[in-house]
Amino acid sequence: QVQLVESGGGLVEPGGYLKLSCTASGFIFNDYYMSWIRQAPGKGLEWVSYISTSSGTIYYADSVRGRFSISRDNAKNSVYLQMNSLTADDAAVYYCARNYGSSFIVDSWGQGTLVTVSS
Amino acid sequence: NFILTQPHSVSESPGKTVTISCTRSSGSIGSNYVQWYQQRPGSSPTTVIYEDYQRPSGVPARFSGSIDISSNSASLTISGLKTEDEAHYYCQSFDNSNWVFGGGTELTVL
Repeated sequence: QVQLVESGGGLVEPGGYLKLSCTASGFIFNDYYMSWIRQAPGKGLEWVSYISTSSGTIYYADSVRGRFSISRDNAKNSVYLQMNSLTADDAAVYYCARNYGSSFIVDSWGQGTLVTVSS
Repeated sequence: NFILTQPHSVSESPGKTVTISCTRSSGSIGSNYVQWYQQRPGSSPTTVIYEDYQRPSGVPARFSGSIDISSNSASLTISGLKTEDEAHYYCQSFDNSNWVFGGGTELTVL
């Protein structure tokens, strides 16, 4: 079955950086586009970023463009999110998600990793 | 960019039918697919409807989706409500390279 396991979350100071990882299993990873979606405590879902199978197409939400960078390593069945210049507004559970084909539709979600931004 | 507006909360009794709306602020609801995600307390979201009305395997037929061009809205209907349906439900669509989520609706089954 499809499994997406996030890691790398934790406590970071404002202005700091963190790199999240998501390791996939149960499907042919390099056949699927992948995304990161976040959820601030007690809030709704917010899309963060999206990457194509070959990394040739990458999109970011306006709120993170220029600070976050998505990447993937198909040999390691992994997708990453490098987060720089973090602020309190970036504090959230970050979900790794598999896209339905190349669409902007999620068909599988990870369990999430919590990022806390505080001094 | 557009906004997807959902009611904050809805409630209904077990066995009944409930409909959750999702209204698009600009642009046609029919121009991009709408998805619905269920998030039970303390859990990750799961997909219950994609491409307006399609159900992933494993999602019961009690869940159905539709769109209404005249009201520029999408709807998620859950029939034969069960207590396990109690959750937050989020609609989602997209425009060019931008994803948009609705604010979420808390469904209480009491």
